[in-house]
Amino acid sequence: EAQVTQNPRYLITVTGKKLTVTCSQNMNHEYMSWYRQDPGLGLRQIYYSMNVEVTDKGDVPEGYKVSRKEKRNFPLILESPSPNQTSLYFCASSLTSGRADTQYFGPGTRLTVL
Amino acid sequence: AQSVTQPDIHITVSEGASLELRCNYSYGATPYLFWYVQSPGQGLQLLLKYFSGDTLVQGIKGFEAEFKRSQSSFNLRKPSVHWSDAAEYFCAVGDFNTNAGKSTFGDGTTLTVKP
Repeated sequence: EAQVTQNPRYLITVTGKKLTVTCSQNMNHEYMSWYRQDPGLGLRQIYYSMNVEVTDKGDVPEGYKVSRKEKRNFPLILESPSPNQTSLYFCASSLTSGRADTQYFGPGTRLTVL
Repeated sequence: AQSVTQPDIHITVSEGASLELRCNYSYGATPYLFWYVQSPGQGLQLLLKYFSGDTLVQGIKGFEAEFKRSQSSFNLRKPSVHWSDAAEYFCAVGDFNTNAGKSTFGDGTTLTVKP
């Protein structure tokens, strides 16, 4: 089944403890992206990747890192999480970054930073 | 910079009634516009998209949207709402032309369907 998977789905952690949220897609998509969703703020793009080893900042990259060493994986790294990073995170992928490509979203990761 | 505004935070309609969700965008060139739906506890699913051609776009689940350049709008419509349409709806603009991959979403509109 074609899908985007994220792990973990739920995570509670404490301030400053490094964490990684994994994202994997099995559709051979070139483009991958991370978003955070907060009440009243919609989805905001954190980072995106046009292809392997190519990443770029979205609208809210501060406090996050990403890497794209393989086409299928695009982990989101929080080196020193803070409470304002408590949010619902979505990973998405599309075939290319082409004009009208549909983004396919993962199920989301709900992160709480205490 | 591109932006998307969904003026209605919450809309309630009766089952069987028609629906229109508003979306206004700001973008310097021809936009690439999308509507996504998010059911509770789920990720986002594409309903429809517009990038060129006919300004009335048909999507899944009986939804359609009309691109109006003069009004910078891309409103989503459905003639008869079903209870299963209750969800959150997001309008998005894709800057896949110059900024190569940047997406901007609206804040979302929550749809409640009354029996």
